Amino acid sequence: LAKTTQPISMDSYEGQEVNITCSHNNIATNDYITWYQQFPSQGPRFIIQGYKTKVTNEVASLFIPADRKSSTLSLPRVSLSDTAVYYCLVGEGTGGFKTIFGAGTRLFVKA
Amino acid sequence: GAGVSQSPSNKVTEKGKDVELRCDPISGHTALYWYRQSLGQGLEFLIYFQGNSAPDKSGLPSDRFSAERTGGSVSTLTIQRTQQEDSAVYLCASSLLHDSYNEQFFGPGTRLTVL
Repeated sequence: LAKTTQPISMDSYEGQEVNITCSHNNIATNDYITWYQQFPSQGPRFIIQGYKTKVTNEVASLFIPADRKSSTLSLPRVSLSDTAVYYCLVGEGTGGFKTIFGAGTRLFVKA
Repeated sequence: GAGVSQSPSNKVTEKGKDVELRCDPISGHTALYWYRQSLGQGLEFLIYFQGNSAPDKSGLPSDRFSAERTGGSVSTLTIQRTQQEDSAVYLCASSLLHDSYNEQFFGPGTRLTVL
């Protein structure tokens, strides 16, 4: 059973808002939800993190419903430079924390 | 301050040879992780170290892979008798603690090519 489930890929156009949803049905009470971004030939980098409700920073917003079984990363007005792979990372849900990134979502932003 | 550094940046080796990959984590970070990423694929967890605790080796794909972390700082990932399927980018990351709250800081990776 996968720890997180995300769409494999998404396409968008410059200036649009992009929403990427991650399912994490087995999230534990104490676990945070973290999203990372990876550009080609680079290691992933932290984008945003949340526990519940909504979190916003200069890069993105993160929406987490009350049951916390999913989360949605929202990128406002994407540009070509937002083309990357986006990973969500959560705890294992059985008291431990496993660093399982999964396959991520490949976002292609077109002009 | 300095980020996570890895060396070498690129390594080309022949099948059957041993290789050592090095990771220098951010100073003060107690958790250190190794991942493997094949071309076009996601990150595959290999191993993590947390302070002086026994490392979690559950992701190591075979007994040809081993890792150590000396003095709670620098880590070395060793691959013995390399195979062509070991070709990948090996990423190292560190964080203050091993939990879901502390973000992981990644190094630039080592690109390993086994001929």
